Amino acid sequence: AQKVTQAQTEISVVEKEDVTLDCVYETRDTTYYLFWYKQPPSGELVFLIRRNSFDEQNEISGRYSWNFQKSTSSFNFTITASQVVDSAVYFCALSELDRYNQGGKLIFGQGTELSVKP
Amino acid sequence: DAGVIQSPRHEVTEMGQEVTLRCKPISGHNSLFWYRQTMMRGLELLIYFNNNVPIDDSGMPEDRFSAKMPNASFSTLKIQPSEPRDSAVYFCASSWARGFTGELFFGEGSRLTVL
Repeated sequence: AQKVTQAQTEISVVEKEDVTLDCVYETRDTTYYLFWYKQPPSGELVFLIRRNSFDEQNEISGRYSWNFQKSTSSFNFTITASQVVDSAVYFCALSELDRYNQGGKLIFGQGTELSVKP
Repeated sequence: DAGVIQSPRHEVTEMGQEVTLRCKPISGHNSLFWYRQTMMRGLELLIYFNNNVPIDDSGMPEDRFSAKMPNASFSTLKIQPSEPRDSAVYFCASSWARGFTGELFFGEGSRLTVL
């Protein structure tokens, strides 16, 4: 069965430190999508990135970068020069094709709570 | 553009009462999802619809929970009768693509407390 594991429950860093959030997934399928979402203290869930299983290129967006490695079933997220505003819970998620081979549900990890202190 | 709109934002009720949560997806989106978030179980998918048709309701906890999507712009999640263990934040999300291929846009959630 598909599963997403975020082993780090809480991480605390000081502003300007780099921090990496780990995500390991399990799936039987060859076609799947991986996501990262951010949940700030206000509670809403904000989409950060989607990556399909055929694209292993790393991606960088400003201070955010993602490292996708199929060989280790990992999709790690790094924040460079962290800021207080990065404090939030970050969720990694996995989606697979459903039985109609067109879409499927999003399975979330338990989340990593990141606290960035000034 | 308006995002996913959920109501009520907060609901406090007593055990045994009926609870109805409402969701208006983003116009043009054809997939709608109901998630529940608790400290113990994290984010769980309850049900999702595509083109107003339920595709997967395997996450619905039990018969006390039901969801409908009578048209493309409205969905409800009903709990009857409610129990204290149903206390959670319920999120509705919509997407432009069938199932997983698109980004999910989440509402702000409905925080339910059952006393």
